[in-house]
Amino acid sequence: DTGVSQNPRHKITKRGQNVTFRCDPISEHNRLYWYRQTLGQGPEFLTYFQNEAQLEKSRLLSDRFSAERPKGSFSTLEIQRTEQGDSAMYLCASSLVRGTGRNTEAFFGQGTRLTVV
Amino acid sequence: AQSVTQLGSHVSVSEGALVLLRCNYSSSVPPYLFWYVQYPNQGLQLLLKYTTGATLVKGINGFEAEFKKSETSFHLTKPSAHMSDAAEYFCAVPRQFGNEKLTFGTGTRLTIIP
Repeated sequence: DTGVSQNPRHKITKRGQNVTFRCDPISEHNRLYWYRQTLGQGPEFLTYFQNEAQLEKSRLLSDRFSAERPKGSFSTLEIQRTEQGDSAMYLCASSLVRGTGRNTEAFFGQGTRLTVV
Repeated sequence: AQSVTQLGSHVSVSEGALVLLRCNYSSSVPPYLFWYVQYPNQGLQLLLKYTTGATLVKGINGFEAEFKKSETSFHLTKPSAHMSDAAEYFCAVPRQFGNEKLTFGTGTRLTIIP
């Protein structure tokens, strides 16, 4: 399977603990995105990378959140001192962007469902 | 920033009936538009997209959507619903023109009645 892979699929953690999620994009894709989806809502953009550079962070991404893509391949999303409001599905997507970036399709992973108790 | 509005958070149709899921966009220029489907506990899969050219776009699984600039709409349709179409459907638009980062609607959950 050469699609976007996310691990773990499910994570239950106690409030105050740190968690880290991993995303492996499609191998040749240069852009990688993180979205958060809460129950009954559409995904909301968090941040994205062009190769290893983090180009934009949403206001939704508080100081407790950090994302990395150290070698321009896989990415990690860490949440420190988790809160119950962090409970959500975290989706990763990747795309291959050339030129202006138009007409680009983002391929999504299956997501990591986080439950903070 | 561009946005989309999905009318109806839940839609139920009988198996074999027409499926119509509504999406309206707010943009001063014709945007790119996307429909994604999400099955339970799964990620999003692209159904179809409108970029430029033909306003009637055909996608996977028998779905199609028509871009209507005069109505600022991009409704998703399927002539005959199948049980396997039960899922959540999201309309999406790039956050800025020419930008591939997406803003999603709130979604429409489609239920198929046997």
